[in-house]
Amino acid sequence: VDLVESGGGLVKPGGSLRLSCAASGFTFSSYKMNWVRQAPGKGLEWVASITSRGNYIYYADSVKGRFTISRDNAKNSLYLQMNSLRAEDTAVYYCAREDFVVEPDTIRYFDYWGQGTLVTVSS
Amino acid sequence: DIQMTQSPSSLSASVGDRVTITCRASQSIASFLNWYQQKPGKAPKLLIYAASSLESGVPSRFSGSGSGTDFTLTISSLQPEDFAAYSCQQTYSTPPTFGQGTKLEIK
Repeated sequence: VDLVESGGGLVKPGGSLRLSCAASGFTFSSYKMNWVRQAPGKGLEWVASITSRGNYIYYADSVKGRFTISRDNAKNSLYLQMNSLRAEDTAVYYCAREDFVVEPDTIRYFDYWGQGTLVTVSS
Repeated sequence: DIQMTQSPSSLSASVGDRVTITCRASQSIASFLNWYQQKPGKAPKLLIYAASSLESGVPSRFSGSGSGTDFTLTISSLQPEDFAAYSCQQTYSTPPTFGQGTKLEIK
């Protein structure tokens, strides 16, 4: 399993950026995927998730209306379109695969993570 | 949102020590609790899922326990490669939330 993020960089407040995550080594179309970020010196923050076929999408309140998660199963790729960027969006952004167990309940976890891509929002 | 609180925030220990990190949820989350290890500049690595299940390939010195609101991650005998940051995560409800992290340092 390999997840490789790209697309990070320096952008001005109010600007846009599109992150990509290239997946390999597993059947990408079978897994729910997530974006998780980590601001410098801070903890992990879940950003967004998309189900295997893209029919259910969820966002953190902090990015709702500004970020859009999408996927292309034919290209084994996950995306995060980030608009109206703010200084507080500065972070390393990770894509993460989600798996689950069904006993004792359907418990989800993030079993594989990419190496991350740094997004810096600054004037 | 469910708040996850870890303690301590940082911890100094020596190779061979037994170490316990605690994670408390703001409401009951049954066993919907995972633990991750993160080394500087690296991606998080899954250690424990469903509170007590060891991820494949993770050394048996790592163990997890708890249910409801209180959980622990225990390292039975610290090895040099274990000095890292550890985070808990609840997936009982959306949004999945993480603890603030515990930094484990060499004494």
